[in-house]
Amino acid sequence: AAGVIQSPRHLIKEKRETATLKCYPIPRHDTVYWYQQGPGQDPQFLISFYEKMQSDKGSIPDRFSAQQFSDYHSELNMSSLELGDSALYFCASSFQTGGNEKLFFGSGTQLSVL
Amino acid sequence: DAKTTQPNSMESNEEEPVHLPCNHSTISGTDYIHWYRQLPSQGPEYVIHGLTSNVNNRMASLAIAEDRKSSTLILHRATLRDAAVYYCILGTSGTYKYIFGTGTRLKVLA
Repeated sequence: AAGVIQSPRHLIKEKRETATLKCYPIPRHDTVYWYQQGPGQDPQFLISFYEKMQSDKGSIPDRFSAQQFSDYHSELNMSSLELGDSALYFCASSFQTGGNEKLFFGSGTQLSVL
Repeated sequence: DAKTTQPNSMESNEEEPVHLPCNHSTISGTDYIHWYRQLPSQGPEYVIHGLTSNVNNRMASLAIAEDRKSSTLILHRATLRDAAVYYCILGTSGTYKYIFGTGTRLKVLA
């Protein structure tokens, strides 16, 4: 079965550079969630989209922005990168939500900021 | 956001049942109780979820207290592959966010 696809798997950037992470949800899934997981930490909710509209926001820095496109894929744009942005970034998708839907997670993008 | 509380770590012997507790005393009537687990270097994986009644699937069982202020994830026969961090999360009706707390790191002993 098709899973959530994230690209790239690994990304190395310098401080103050920008990065774009991509997420391709499971076909027919209309909701996408982004999470950040620092080393040894629990996943932190960043932002979610339902039907191409931003739904909920968590602890997402102002330097980050995201959107969901007409084909339901999503991109997380990160500017003015800082060392502390080094983390594993997960995307998850679901078909709608309302608290009663399973989330399917991708394998993540490992971002290293040097 | 309604919060959940779990023990930091638990140990179990292989082939024995494991009961992972979760407290969610501020749960609202429409919050679903979800469990996810995260194996090392992998994305979280759905385990089970429920609203009021106990739930069973091929991976685990979920026992929900009558007042819904706590729940227990039951792995009937732990295997080494079940070693992971287990997260209890509340899914709130009308929202599109699932907040991970500090999960329980399960260690399975051979």
